[in-house]
Amino acid sequence: DVKVTQSSRYLVKRTGEKVFLECVQDMDHENMFWYRQDPGLGLRLIYFSYDVKMKEKGDIPEGYSVSREKKERFSLILESASTNQTSMYLCASSLSTFGGELNTGELFFGEGSRLTVL
Amino acid sequence: QKEVEQDPGPLSVPEGAIVSLNCTYSNSAFQYFMWYRQYSRKGPELLMYTYSSGNKEDGRFTAQVDKSSKYISLFIRDSQPSDSATYLCAMMGIQGAQKLVFGQGTRLTINP
Repeated sequence: DVKVTQSSRYLVKRTGEKVFLECVQDMDHENMFWYRQDPGLGLRLIYFSYDVKMKEKGDIPEGYSVSREKKERFSLILESASTNQTSMYLCASSLSTFGGELNTGELFFGEGSRLTVL
Repeated sequence: QKEVEQDPGPLSVPEGAIVSLNCTYSNSAFQYFMWYRQYSRKGPELLMYTYSSGNKEDGRFTAQVDKSSKYISLFIRDSQPSDSATYLCAMMGIQGAQKLVFGQGTRLTINP
């Protein structure tokens, strides 16, 4: 089974702190994603990566950066945490090619990291 | 206006009922339509996948896509308490580079 592991399930940080959220996948997937999930807003894409050292902004990249030094690992960085970044953060991975009935481009998600910024 | 609209609920129905979950969308370029199920304190998991229009059935679950109306549905027959979860619709276009656009999610509770 595909496994996407997020290093921390629950974090509490203070405003202004630098926060690292780590994600590791074990299925050699090319694509990795970071989403945040908030009540009433659903999942919103922060950043994604198609390959090592490649990154692209999603819909809400402000206040975040990412790092992908190895294929299996994708890190989300909050340079200076703020209270409006209190949220559930979800990492996901997928194969690079998709289309048709056999390869759906399915996203495999981790269990999430709930971050509270005080 | 959001690209994908989904009623967040909550929706509560008795066991055995037929459940209908829906999403509307505005982007006519969407070609791939999915439903993810998310249990409490877990990440979402793919439940159903449909390419373009039409119906797809998998056990008690049926996914429908009506591209002319920009409307997708998920039906659950003979609902069970184990179906209690948040259901998220998601969609993307051919050029979407797997950038899924998600609905807000509908929280569903099946009461025994």
